[in-house]
Amino acid sequence: GENVEQHPSTLSVQEGDSAVIKCTYSDSASNYFPWYKQELGKRPQLIIDIRSNVGEKKDQRIAVTLNKTAKHFSLHITETQPEDSAVYFCAASGGYQLIWGAGTKLIIKP
Amino acid sequence: DAGVTQSPTHLIKTRGQQVTLRCSPKSGHDTVSWYQQALGQGPQFIFQYYEEEERQRGNFPDRFSGHQFPNYSSELNVNALLLGDSALYLCASSSGTGLSYEQYFGPGTRLTVT
Repeated sequence: GENVEQHPSTLSVQEGDSAVIKCTYSDSASNYFPWYKQELGKRPQLIIDIRSNVGEKKDQRIAVTLNKTAKHFSLHITETQPEDSAVYFCAASGGYQLIWGAGTKLIIKP
Repeated sequence: DAGVTQSPTHLIKTRGQQVTLRCSPKSGHDTVSWYQQALGQGPQFIFQYYEEEERQRGNFPDRFSGHQFPNYSSELNVNALLLGDSALYLCASSSGTGLSYEQYFGPGTRLTVT
């Protein structure tokens, strides 16, 4: 079955710097790759997603890249702000269910 | 436009008891997925309901069962509760006409088994 690995588990960056979170997946049939942000005690919120027919997608300070050959995808956050502090999850899907990574705790230092 | 709602917010049960959790999908969505999220981990897929049928199931025992009603709302039932069932249970809704559609989550139900 599908397996998604996510790195790093914790990422600490200075406010204003960029943050990059990386995920790899195992099932070449996966074709949908969302990223979720989860603040403490709250629900996961979809922040950006990409499908396998696209290599890159941007939404303001957030971008996602996908390398189908290498089976990895990454989340890029530029000009980080205190409100970006949260746990970020990547996921992959080739069918009906989402398979999730273990999460990355992003800490923004003032 | 109401988003995904879940009830109850919190629940405390004893080992061996049974529990029912409820979910109402976002307006316009007809598919409901259930996930279990243990503390410090990513959500684990339990199952998905579409057209009142279980469409796909994750690696969870038969103690976990569900139902979807004609109005697309859904229930998750867990029998013979174990301490390890303590977790945040998340419901996500989506449009079910195709594969791999965006899933939007409810606030979750925090289940504690003592």
